[in-house]
Amino acid sequence: GNSVTQMEGPVTLSEEAFLTINCTYTATGYPSLFWYVQYPGEGLQLLLKATKADDKGSNKGFEATYRKETTSFHLEKGSVQVSDSAVYFCALSGSSGGSNYKLTFGKGTLLTVNP
Amino acid sequence: DAGVIQSPRHEVTEMGQEVTLRCKPISGHNSLFWYRQTMMRGLELLIYFNNNVPIDDSGMPEDRFSAKMPNASFSTLKIQPSEPRDSAVYFCASSLNSGASGANVLTFGAGSRLTVL
Repeated sequence: GNSVTQMEGPVTLSEEAFLTINCTYTATGYPSLFWYVQYPGEGLQLLLKATKADDKGSNKGFEATYRKETTSFHLEKGSVQVSDSAVYFCALSGSSGGSNYKLTFGKGTLLTVNP
Repeated sequence: DAGVIQSPRHEVTEMGQEVTLRCKPISGHNSLFWYRQTMMRGLELLIYFNNNVPIDDSGMPEDRFSAKMPNASFSTLKIQPSEPRDSAVYFCASSLNSGASGANVLTFGAGSRLTVL
């Protein structure tokens, strides 16, 4: 079945540091890949997505590239801010029409950015 | 749009009591999901509705859990009787599922935090 493995947290950085959160996946076919972010006390919200190999998703300074050869979708940001402190979830959805509704989430990585 | 609305935001109840969680999805969305989040198991899909019809309830833990979607703007998740191990944050999410791969972007509600004593 489908699975997502992301790096264990917590991750603590100073403001303006470089961020990488690793994510690898196992899936049949050609899944779509997502990063969701959860701020304290809130629900998850979509950060970025990529639907095919070599696509790069980007939003709010965050980027992730769909690498089929390494089955990875690592999240990066060049300069983090205190406001980026949150839990980040990597996820994938099935590639066929019958299963594309089902999101499989990683365990989440807690990021804390200190001033 | 106000987003996905869930109620109550917090619920504390005693073991054996019935719990009902409510969700109003985004208007126009045709898919609705109930997820449960715990530290141990992370995010688990409990049930998925498409056009108000339950499509996948394989994640519902046991018969104590039931979910309904009587119309496109309302869904409930009921636990009867509740047990301490049901303590978790329950999220409702909705989406407009066109069937295309990658198009199913979920919008989550703020969650209902359930504590069963």
